[in-house]
Amino acid sequence: DTGVSQDPRHKITKRGQNVTFRCDPISEHNRLYWYRQTLGQGPEFLTYFQNEAQLEKSRLLSDRFSAERPKGSFSTLEIQRTEQGDSAMYLCASSFVRGHTGYTFGSGTRLTVV
Amino acid sequence: AQRVTQPEKLLSVFKGAPVELKCNYSYSGSPELFWYVQYSRQRLQLLLRHISRESIKGFTADLNKGETSFHLKKPFAQEEDSAMYYCAQPPSGVLIFGQGTELSVKP
Repeated sequence: DTGVSQDPRHKITKRGQNVTFRCDPISEHNRLYWYRQTLGQGPEFLTYFQNEAQLEKSRLLSDRFSAERPKGSFSTLEIQRTEQGDSAMYLCASSFVRGHTGYTFGSGTRLTVV
Repeated sequence: AQRVTQPEKLLSVFKGAPVELKCNYSYSGSPELFWYVQYSRQRLQLLLRHISRESIKGFTADLNKGETSFHLKKPFAQEEDSAMYYCAQPPSGVLIFGQGTELSVKP
């Protein structure tokens, strides 16, 4: 297990197109998180899963965003009808249910909407 | 809303000088506090946790409940400490991050 993997590393898309990102967490981790980070800001929480159940969604997550974690393994984050304001780094992290050991982050997917 | 505040966006020191990166939290119910670090071109990684009371790479952080602070300290900064540092707290089970402080250690 090489840690949390995210794909793709970079994505450039035209406004109005749909994009999908993938995250493969550490296999032993039950929880999987999605964050968004823009320049000069800390990571902002979007949503998280415990196994296959999506337990919480931030108010930041508009209806254009949807996330899934089928079978409690990898997760996908889809953004429909992208807008320029969606340009950001999308980070995935995973952890055990009890997060005292902290989260392990992936390298992120950088989205640029042109 | 629960907040984690890092008042300094940039902290610049010379090598060998002491460093203190400030962090204040608003949710007093959770004893869990974390510092994460992101070196240039690397992923965000855990630096240390309050619960383990550890010292990592010479850094320590003390929880001050009276001041609701969890400042990160190092007595003698090294050039390799230059990075972005984020303080984080899980008030509802999910980590909330501060805006980050960029530490620049000059030779």
